[in-house]
Amino acid sequence: QSVLTQPPSASGTPGQGVTISCSGRSFNIGGNSVNWYQQLPGTAPKLLIYRNTLRPSGVPDRFSGSKSGTSASLAISGLQSEDEADYYCAAWDDSLNGYVFGSGTKVTVL
Amino acid sequence: EVHLVQSGAEVKKPGATVKISCKVSGYTFSDFYVNWVQQAPGKGLEWMGLVDREDGETIYSERFQGRVTMTADTSTETVYMELSSLTSEDTAVYYCATRPLGGHYFDYWGQGTLVTVAS
Repeated sequence: QSVLTQPPSASGTPGQGVTISCSGRSFNIGGNSVNWYQQLPGTAPKLLIYRNTLRPSGVPDRFSGSKSGTSASLAISGLQSEDEADYYCAAWDDSLNGYVFGSGTKVTVL
Repeated sequence: EVHLVQSGAEVKKPGATVKISCKVSGYTFSDFYVNWVQQAPGKGLEWMGLVDREDGETIYSERFQGRVTMTADTSTETVYMELSSLTSEDTAVYYCATRPLGGHYFDYWGQGTLVTVAS
């Protein structure tokens, strides 16, 4: 059972937008920044969004992150076939003194 | 360019110990943390712990505390993760990932090391 809650799946057609939610508590998302990772099939995860809203160099601006209270969201606009992947939210958890991941959301491009 | 290169796949018997290496090169900052993440087949990501590359300080997840040891060798820029008392539930891909001192995010990842535990 993951500490952070994500929907197991999300989908959209090419060009559409998709939003993935991530729900936590005051001692993880509520008090710390949220990060998002993209894992393409058969590859290592890759940092997609850090400190709630920032994109590392090379990440398209189609990807955006937001946070409010104890929840966060990842939005993908203009969905492309190469966006088919698993997406994980993550944050530091002060009560566990450790890093926690969401359960992951599989995005399918129809 | 930053590279994290991990050691190759391992097959171990139940009860054995596995030690995986992660060589870091090209990282901008002189001090940083290296984290280890477990991913069981078809499952999500689970944080195992971290080691400070410079002073060797560690923080372990409660789930792995007592079975995991993470060490850093600054002379070779290599970090190690040792997991003991292996069971079939430890069959997974293990990733190392760097984390800058100022942030709680993993900016670079290794390619992963598959550990299979079977009798």
